[in-house]
Amino acid sequence: GQSLEQPSEVTAVEGAIVQINCTYQTSGFYGLSWYQQHDGGAPTFLSYNALDGLEETGRFSSFLSRSDSYGYLLLQELQMKDSASYFCAARGGSGNTGKLIFGQGTTLQVKP
Amino acid sequence: ETGVTQSPTHLIKTRGQQVTLRCSSQSGHNTVSWYQQALGQGPQFIFQYYREEENGRGNFPPRFSGLQFPNYSSELNVNALELDDSALYLCASSLGGQGGETQYFGPGTRLLVL
Repeated sequence: GQSLEQPSEVTAVEGAIVQINCTYQTSGFYGLSWYQQHDGGAPTFLSYNALDGLEETGRFSSFLSRSDSYGYLLLQELQMKDSASYFCAARGGSGNTGKLIFGQGTTLQVKP
Repeated sequence: ETGVTQSPTHLIKTRGQQVTLRCSSQSGHNTVSWYQQALGQGPQFIFQYYREEENGRGNFPPRFSGLQFPNYSSELNVNALELDDSALYLCASSLGGQGGETQYFGPGTRLLVL
C-alpha cells in the first residue's frame, strides 16, 4: 500500500528547534512535500524535496533520504504562530496522475 | 492574482440528499484536486481534474463525482449522502496536470450530514 507515517504530536518551547519526521511507502515516488495547516484553515505549502538532501527556506528546512524512505521538517527559532498541524505528502501512482497522499499530520504545540 | 475560492463555506444536509460544492482555481492554474479531510486526519485524495478531464482518482465510491469547466473552475458532487461524509472538503489548484509538488488550497467547505 501507500502510506506516510509521522508522529501525532510534538511539543516545544518558543525559540527552540523541532524536527518532525516522516517515513513513507509509496509506489512511483517523486518527492516529499510539507504543508502547514492552522486550526480551521487551509493547508499551505511549505517545501518540496525531489532529491536527497536539505532544502532551506527561512526558519524552515526539509530533508529527504530516498534510500531510507525518510524525510523531516526542521523548524528553527520557534514562534507561537508555528503552532499548527504539519503534513508530509507524496505523489502516489505513476505518470501524470496527480494523486497526492498525505500523512495523518503532526500537531505542533509551541509553549511560551 | 486571485487565490483559490470555495463555496459554500458551511453546509448542513441530511442522509440521502445530494450536494454540490464549488471551487475556483487560482489564476493561471489548469488543474484542480479535491480532498476530504475528517477531523484530526490528513486530507484524503478524492480526484483530480486536468484540462476538464479526470486525471486520477482515490478510493472513493462513484457517488462522488466531479466536473471541471473551460475556465478551470470545478464542482464536486456527492449523491446519497451518508453520515460519514461529514468532513471538510478542500480543493487545491496547481499547474501542469501532476499537481503533486505545489498545490494551493482553498479555505474548504465544511459539510455536516445529519
